[in-house]
Amino acid sequence: KQEVTQIPAALSVPEGENLVLNCSFTDSAIYNLQWFRQDPGKGLTSLLLIQSSQREQTSGRLNASLDKSSGRSTLYIAASQPGDSATYLCAVISSGAQKLVFGQGTRLTINP
Amino acid sequence: EAEVAQSPRYKITEKSQAVAFWCDPISGHATLYWYRQILGQGPELLVQFQDESVVDDSQLPKDRFSAERLKGVDSTLKIQPAELGDSAMYLCASKQGLNTEAFFGQGTRLTVV
Repeated sequence: KQEVTQIPAALSVPEGENLVLNCSFTDSAIYNLQWFRQDPGKGLTSLLLIQSSQREQTSGRLNASLDKSSGRSTLYIAASQPGDSATYLCAVISSGAQKLVFGQGTRLTINP
Repeated sequence: EAEVAQSPRYKITEKSQAVAFWCDPISGHATLYWYRQILGQGPELLVQFQDESVVDDSQLPKDRFSAERLKGVDSTLKIQPAELGDSAMYLCASKQGLNTEAFFGQGTRLTVV
């Protein structure tokens, strides 16, 4: 059974810092991994999708990496802004199934 | 820009009552998911459809929950009777194919009193 873990559960940093969010998964047989952002009381917004054959994916100030063999992904946020404050969730789709399995999320606060 | 539509956004119901949620996925998306998210936790799958067929409902409490996607387009999730522990955010998502992004709706916040 696939299990996804995100550490830390919460993170608070001053504006302008670069930061890294971590995601680990137990079964390396995955199709892809997707990072989401969730604002309080809202749905999930897709940030990046990384296919199993890719090592990284970039969108603006965001860069996601994937090391399938070690079961790890990181989301790098450059030059953080207060508007980046949200909960960040990673989800994997395992081979043989099409459901997304989520981590618990990292609650990020960027202080002005 | 195409979106996954969900209604209602908020629902308050008394325990033992019936409640229903509706989801309209992005046009052309064959896969539709219903997830439940308890505050402070990650979403957990309730049911997954491929077109009109159920692919995975292993975590759906079938004694009180039901889901349908009759024409392979929009979907309804029903709870009867609702229990206090059903209070959560119910999220619908859709995707076009295996290696494509999943897109989520804004969710329905259910409060059972």
